[in-house]
Amino acid sequence: QVRLVQSGTEVKRPGSSVRVSCTASGSTSRSMAMNWVRQAPGQGLEWMGGITPVFGVPQYAQEFQGRLTITADEFTTSVSMELRSLRSQDTAIYYCVRDEYCRSSDCYNVLGGYWGQGTQVTVAS
Amino acid sequence: SYVLTQPPSVSVAPGETATITCGGNNIGSKSVQWLQQRPGQAPMLVIYYNSDRPSGIPARLSGSNSGNTATLTINKVEAGDEADYYCHVWDSASDHRVFGGGTKLTVL
Repeated sequence: QVRLVQSGTEVKRPGSSVRVSCTASGSTSRSMAMNWVRQAPGQGLEWMGGITPVFGVPQYAQEFQGRLTITADEFTTSVSMELRSLRSQDTAIYYCVRDEYCRSSDCYNVLGGYWGQGTQVTVAS
Repeated sequence: SYVLTQPPSVSVAPGETATITCGGNNIGSKSVQWLQQRPGQAPMLVIYYNSDRPSGIPARLSGSNSGNTATLTINKVEAGDEADYYCHVWDSASDHRVFGGGTKLTVL
């Protein structure tokens, strides 16, 4: 069973940065993409960016270009995201998402297959 | 950028059929996933590759995809189906993931 575990709640001041990490267990493949998705209070899901660890080159949604950095650990299934220049509109739950689904011992490339528990990030002065 | 359009809300009585649509330009050429998000919980995959169900998802839930519309159908709706549902695709042109705006399913 694939499980994603994220780091804990963060409270930040406007203008600062936040780093959220995510570790996958139950699947060791580094060829499955790991993404970051956020959800502002009462709003829908927003894809921020992602990375396929075996390739190591991140992609970012236009809205976050220049403010977001996604990295993957070279040897494990851990990924992190750092969002800079925080503003109140960045208050949201941030989810780590693995594009994989496993049935028995067979795993497939599936968007949105597994989700972390979410990390609440609050930006307030 | 690629846009997915969902109705904001769908209401249905218990035992009836709920139909949730996801519109996108030539979405029939893409692989569509559907996610269910119950209040206070993380989203969960309920349909992948347009119509496949993960283990544990009841056969009452089904998906289809053709032309400009993908559809999630929930037969014999139960109170436990009340949730937000999102469609989700990969846009090859931008190499980005895209979500629909979400549909709140209310069981009357």
